Amino acid sequence: DAKTTQPTSMDCAEGRAANLPCNHSTISGNEYVYWYRQIHSQGPQYIIHGLKNNETNEMASLIITEDRKSSTLILPHATLRDTAVYYCIVRAPRGGTYKYIFGTGTRLKVLA
Amino acid sequence: GAGVSQSPSNKVTEKGKDVELRCDPISGHTALYWYRQSLGQGLEFLIYFQGNSAPDKSGLPSDRFSAERTGGSVSTLTIQRTQQEDSAVYLCASSSPGLAAQGTQYFGPGTRLTVL
Repeated sequence: DAKTTQPTSMDCAEGRAANLPCNHSTISGNEYVYWYRQIHSQGPQYIIHGLKNNETNEMASLIITEDRKSSTLILPHATLRDTAVYYCIVRAPRGGTYKYIFGTGTRLKVLA
Repeated sequence: GAGVSQSPSNKVTEKGKDVELRCDPISGHTALYWYRQSLGQGLEFLIYFQGNSAPDKSGLPSDRFSAERTGGSVSTLTIQRTQQEDSAVYLCASSSPGLAAQGTQYFGPGTRLTVL
């Protein structure tokens, strides 16, 4: 069962920041938060991951609350090509199966 | 470098036939995963290989499904006596054991299986 909850869908104006929330209130101390996106008919694309500190890369920023029970993925300047389903996943990097448990994700639509 | 590749990209088969789907992971990645995605649904874990350890088959939906990984690299997912409900996109992912990578999985483009 997925350990995360996300809104089903969101719209964002092109050029604006897209802020995608994720709740993971049962996260364990050794579990990381991973974000992926899936553009129609393609395999999931890795975006970013983090443990407790905020992270930034060329694609996005990840803000994790101090209690680690929620996080936000930020796409700073959304483009039409960012329209996709975004998945938030929590998982421990070591021990056990390492499998990802995908929820239903957030369908982000970037509007021109 | 090259990413995860899968073949074929599309496969149409008749009910009752066997199919084989292939995955070539990223070179040096010791962990390999198979997932399935039915139309409009999220990804469902099927099986996991890590090095020489026994695979985790806990996600396989029935004994018609099997997978092997030869030489620690290429993997083949076999579905015997296919049924229409097996129609889905089958995705493969691989990950590096390195600490820096922290288990991040990289996905292939998938194989779209249609059972008529």
